[in-house]
Amino acid sequence: QVQLQESGPGLVKPSETLSLTCIVSGSSISDYYWSWIRQPPGKGLEWVGYVYYTGDTNYNPSLKSRATTSLDTSKNQFSLRLTSVTAADTAVYYCARVQTGWFDTWGQGILVTVSS
Amino acid sequence: QSVLTQPPSVSGAPGQRVTISCTGSSSNIGAGYDVQWYQQLPGTAPKLLIDGNTNRPSGVPDRFSGSKSGTSASLAVTGLQAEDEADYYCQSYDSRLSGWVFGGGTKLTVL
Repeated sequence: QVQLQESGPGLVKPSETLSLTCIVSGSSISDYYWSWIRQPPGKGLEWVGYVYYTGDTNYNPSLKSRATTSLDTSKNQFSLRLTSVTAADTAVYYCARVQTGWFDTWGQGILVTVSS
Repeated sequence: QSVLTQPPSVSGAPGQRVTISCTGSSSNIGAGYDVQWYQQLPGTAPKLLIDGNTNRPSGVPDRFSGSKSGTSASLAVTGLQAEDEADYYCQSYDSRLSGWVFGGGTKLTVL
């Protein structure tokens, strides 16, 4: 079955760059759009951005150009970079597969804390 | 402030029926974009419950059903069970924001 697994540092300092990777198994990364979604502790879900193997990307306007997503077909994985992080970026970050406008498969999530 | 509005909480006794509303606007639900529902059990990732307004993915019990009308959508849960206690989120696309949006989430408590 399709499985997604997030990886990356759990602690990032303010003003630095958050970098996460999502490894996909059981599905070719070239066949779908892939997305990042985050959830601050005790709060709701927020869509971050998506990437397609053609290079097509889109991001939540609230992130004000701080987010970048990329994809590596040779490794069947995709990544998220979020620059100039603040405490407000502390959240569980999920990667997810996009299926015709919804998220049909999710990773288990990774908690990223922004703190000095 | 979420683009899609949900009640913070709903509750019901085992065996009862509850509904969760999701109110949007003319740039999302009212524009004809599909509504999805996700169930998030404590400490776990969200799970797709309803897609395309009314469709249940394989493995989702038929106690869960979705509907959509105008600028709103609803999730109904019949025959409430203790295992249904979770947070529920609606999701759609917003043309003004050019991206996907979620409701603020509703906590379902089984009394």
